[in-house]
Amino acid sequence: DAGITQSPRHKVTETGTPVTLRCHQTENHRYMYWYRQDPGHGLRLIHYSYGVKDTDKGEVSDGYSVSRSKTEDFLLTLESATSSQTSVYFCAISDSAGTYEQFFGPGTRLTVL
Amino acid sequence: GESVGLHLPTLSVQEGDNSIINCAYSNSASDYFIWYKQESGKGPQFIIDIRSNMDKRQGQRVTVLLNKTVKHLSLQIAATQPGDSAVYFCAEGAGNTPLVFGKGTRLSVIA
Repeated sequence: DAGITQSPRHKVTETGTPVTLRCHQTENHRYMYWYRQDPGHGLRLIHYSYGVKDTDKGEVSDGYSVSRSKTEDFLLTLESATSSQTSVYFCAISDSAGTYEQFFGPGTRLTVL
Repeated sequence: GESVGLHLPTLSVQEGDNSIINCAYSNSASDYFIWYKQESGKGPQFIIDIRSNMDKRQGQRVTVLLNKTVKHLSLQIAATQPGDSAVYFCAEGAGNTPLVFGKGTRLSVIA
């Protein structure tokens, strides 16, 4: 997985609790991304980062926040999880935004009860 | 495994036959295109890419064709094998805008 790890790999939580997912890379890539994947929707971009402390929203950013304090780490936080946020979350990295491939992590399956 | 394949278009092919997976893209300004393969329970993996100054690119058993006139991209897999069974995504990109992914096609190989 091109030096990308995600933690945890699986999580079950209850509605209303905060959840933080971590993405860690060892490739020193500038860009990092968080996607969610749901049946029938493909990969939808939540947030992305183009450098330390530089982030921007994707198409489904409501209810999510991100932080990037180091090049290698990109955190996704659900401040108050809802059942609609039950999904598989993928982190990806790349050297450039729209002109080079993205490398994906193994995914985190999140279930919100 | 993941249920990402629910409600996806499905292509069923006989083992040994060639597969063609199609993708229509939306942005005429896109100049970079990429195909990913996603097996059950795993993250998407890069297969092949192509830039807009080309109309064909070949890899090992795979060929990507780009028709900019009709904004169409296709992935051809030669001599399809059971290990090719997966969900395939196309994506388009331009400049500093993140890649935009299609919804995917499930390829099912019949042994």
